[in-house]
Amino acid sequence: GNSVTQMEGPVTLSEEAFLTINCTYTATGYPSLFWYVQYPGEGLQLLLKATKADDKGSNKGFEATYRKETTSFHLEKGSVQVSDSAVYFCALQGGSEKLVFGKGTKLTVNP
Amino acid sequence: GAGVSQSPSNKVTEKGKDVELRCDPISGHTALYWYRQSLGQGLEFLIYFQGNSAPDKSGLPSDRFSAERTGGSVSTLTIQRTQQEDSAVYLCASSWGLAETQYFGPGTRLLVL
Repeated sequence: GNSVTQMEGPVTLSEEAFLTINCTYTATGYPSLFWYVQYPGEGLQLLLKATKADDKGSNKGFEATYRKETTSFHLEKGSVQVSDSAVYFCALQGGSEKLVFGKGTKLTVNP
Repeated sequence: GAGVSQSPSNKVTEKGKDVELRCDPISGHTALYWYRQSLGQGLEFLIYFQGNSAPDKSGLPSDRFSAERTGGSVSTLTIQRTQQEDSAVYLCASSWGLAETQYFGPGTRLLVL
């Protein structure tokens, strides 16, 4: 079945550092890929998505590129801020309608 | 409001009691989903609705769990005879249609004592 594996962390960075959170997937067919973010005390918010190979999703300075050859969708940001502290979830939507999530990566950014 | 809403935001109950969790999707969204977020299991799919029908109930963990949706809008997730392992955050999401982007509500935090 479909599955998502992401870097579990926790990840602690200083403000303005470069961020990478790795995500790889296993799926049949051509899934859509997502990053969701959960800020402390809040619900899941869609951060970005990509629906086909080589698509790049981007939002709020975050980027991820759908790489079919490596079955990856790594999240990157060039310069993190304290306000980016949150839990990040990689997810895929494949042949069925449900989202399959990774276990989440907690990011803490220190001033 | 414009987003998905859920009620109650928090629920504390005693083992063996029944609970009902409510979800109001974004207006016009035809698809509605329930997920559960727990420390041990991460984010798990429970059930989804297209209109008022639920084609995929495969994620419901036991027959104590049921859900319905009426009028193509509000959905209720019912847990009968709650157990401590049911303690989790129950998340609802909706989308314009199947395979469209899902938007999540704030969740209901359930604690079974």
